[in-house]
Amino acid sequence: RKEVEQDPGPFNVPEGATVAFNCTYSNSASQSFFWYRQDCRKEPKLLMSVYSSGNEDGRFTAQLNRASQYISLLIRDSKLSDSATYLCVVEGAGSYQLTFGKGTKLSVIP
Amino acid sequence: NAGVTQTPKFQVLKTGQSMTLQCAQDMNHNSMYWYRQDPGMGLRLIYYSASEGTTDKGEVPNGYNVSRLNKREFSLRLESAAPSQTSVYFCASSEVEGGYEQYFGPGTRLTVT
Repeated sequence: RKEVEQDPGPFNVPEGATVAFNCTYSNSASQSFFWYRQDCRKEPKLLMSVYSSGNEDGRFTAQLNRASQYISLLIRDSKLSDSATYLCVVEGAGSYQLTFGKGTKLSVIP
Repeated sequence: NAGVTQTPKFQVLKTGQSMTLQCAQDMNHNSMYWYRQDPGMGLRLIYYSASEGTTDKGEVPNGYNVSRLNKREFSLRLESAAPSQTSVYFCASSEVEGGYEQYFGPGTRLTVT
């Protein structure tokens, strides 16, 4: 099983739609989880951390299911500016390194 | 506050040439990292420096060397470039040693012919 797996997409959704991305990870001892956003030909930028209790930031909601080793990101009311690749990122327990998924590409269509 | 800066932005090398990629951060972060990103491969860690004075290998260190010059600066050197090192290189930093949120520089696009 790969360390961090994501559906590569692309997800093509209309403006205003709700879209969900999923991610699974293999190391059950991992403690820190993040979603990053990467625009075309740009650097990754931290979108949000993922906490066990789930967390929300405006239109974005992240959830963590430790039992299933599963992370999700929900985007409500999609905007054109949400078009990007979303990277699931997991801390490698004990190694103090981050492992990046290959990313899920989102295109929001007018 | 520029965050993480990298130079150069673009570089073309011939096989066998050497070069150093520079990275600096002004956030007073302790840890710094070098990644490469290839199509379909995701980001892979080359080397990291958990704190000033220390460096460690990541997932793909072969063909690279690093220097943590001071708390601000972390350089990546290719001693003898190979076409397989054609990639986008990102430097990142984090406040705390290891796996907390990292902040990335704009990247260096390197082509080795």
